Amino acid sequence: DGGITQSPKYLFRKEGQNVTLSCEQNLNHDAMYWYRQDPGQGLRLIYYSQIVNDFQKGDIAEGYSVSREKKESFPLTVTSAQKNPTAFYLCASSTPGLFWGYTFGSGTRLTVV
Amino acid sequence: AQSVTQLDSHVSVSEGTPVLLRCNYSSSYSPSLFWYVQHPNKGLQLLLKYTSAATLVKGINGFEAEFKKSETSFHLTKPSAHMSDAAEYFCVVSVGVRAAGNKLTFGGGTRVLVKP
Repeated sequence: DGGITQSPKYLFRKEGQNVTLSCEQNLNHDAMYWYRQDPGQGLRLIYYSQIVNDFQKGDIAEGYSVSREKKESFPLTVTSAQKNPTAFYLCASSTPGLFWGYTFGSGTRLTVV
Repeated sequence: AQSVTQLDSHVSVSEGTPVLLRCNYSSSYSPSLFWYVQHPNKGLQLLLKYTSAATLVKGINGFEAEFKKSETSFHLTKPSAHMSDAAEYFCVVSVGVRAAGNKLTFGGGTRVLVKP
């Protein structure tokens, strides 16, 4: 079955550490996205990529970095510069166009300990 | 710029009664509109989408939504709530600026509680 796989499901980070969240899709989608979700809030866009080797900052990119070396993969690194990283992180993909929604992964819950 | 407002942060219904989740949008262009559902600690699942065809859109699990341009609304309804409908629901708008990619703007979410 085609879909998006995010790993790990739960991740714990110590203060000052960088951590990388994995996102892999086998849908042959061109575009991929990272969102952050905080309790009681909607989703906020961190980074997105429309094609391989290209990505753009979203609304809250500070303290995060991404790469898009392969069409299938769009890992997100939460750096030590991100002061409040505890959140639920969702990866999504789509075929660019007006009428397509996104396919979402099942998310990674990151907690700072 | 576009924006989405979900008018209720929480909705509580009894099993078997109708569900209404309200959504208003703002957009400078003709939008595409979506409703997504999220169960606890899960990703988002697409319920239905409006893409300028019929204004009454039917989705999965008995949900439907009506696009009303004059009211800039896209309310989600279901005639009879089931316990499995307890989740968070997001109204989403997409405006096509192809050069900028297909970015979606999310509402703040409505959490639905279904009482037995």
